[in-house]
Amino acid sequence: EAGVAQSPRYKIIEKRQSVAFWCNPISGHATLYWYQQILGQGPKLLIQFQNNGVVDDSQLPKDRFSAERLKGVDSTLKIQPAKLEDSAVYLCASSRFGVRAVNTEAFFGQGTRLTVV
Amino acid sequence: RKEVEQDPGPFNVPEGATVAFNCTYSNSASQSFFWYRQDCRKEPKLLMSVYSSGNEDGRFTAQLNRASQYISLLIRDSKLSDSATYLCVVKGYSTLTFGKGTMLLVSP
Repeated sequence: EAGVAQSPRYKIIEKRQSVAFWCNPISGHATLYWYQQILGQGPKLLIQFQNNGVVDDSQLPKDRFSAERLKGVDSTLKIQPAKLEDSAVYLCASSRFGVRAVNTEAFFGQGTRLTVV
Repeated sequence: RKEVEQDPGPFNVPEGATVAFNCTYSNSASQSFFWYRQDCRKEPKLLMSVYSSGNEDGRFTAQLNRASQYISLLIRDSKLSDSATYLCVVKGYSTLTFGKGTMLLVSP
């Protein structure tokens, strides 16, 4: 079974530029997450989808971040414009079942390491 | 109070030692609990789920105390390969919330 695929692996941009990340979850997984992990901290949820609907985006800085999950499969996360403090690893994860499932494992992609200079 | 709090690290232990990690959570309505492992510059991976009755997987034992909102992970007979960051994860109604993680360094 193929894992969660993310691209690009690395990205360096200047502040105020735009950037987009792509995620292909494990086939058939209903739930997709985007997390931001700053060095030395745990992953912080940005947005969670169940199929193509948003479950939780309460911690997404909506003035600059946006995300979509078209057709309930692939997802993109965009930052426009980027700030220095956006430098982090952006992790995509997926789970087989919907949000009501109790013990559901989240499988992570390798992440995109973003550096904003 | 943070949603999920873990022991600050790092923990430096010799091979063969027993080490325990502690975690507390603030939402009493939390439904399920996990420990994830994250190697340096890698993605988090599920180590084990934590059940109310406690559960064991080889050298790893996880405990849950709902009354105290406390989770623990015990690693016996530490190996060099156990060196990693251990993340406590709590699931509320829908989302997975991660703690900051505790780094473990096992030395020869």
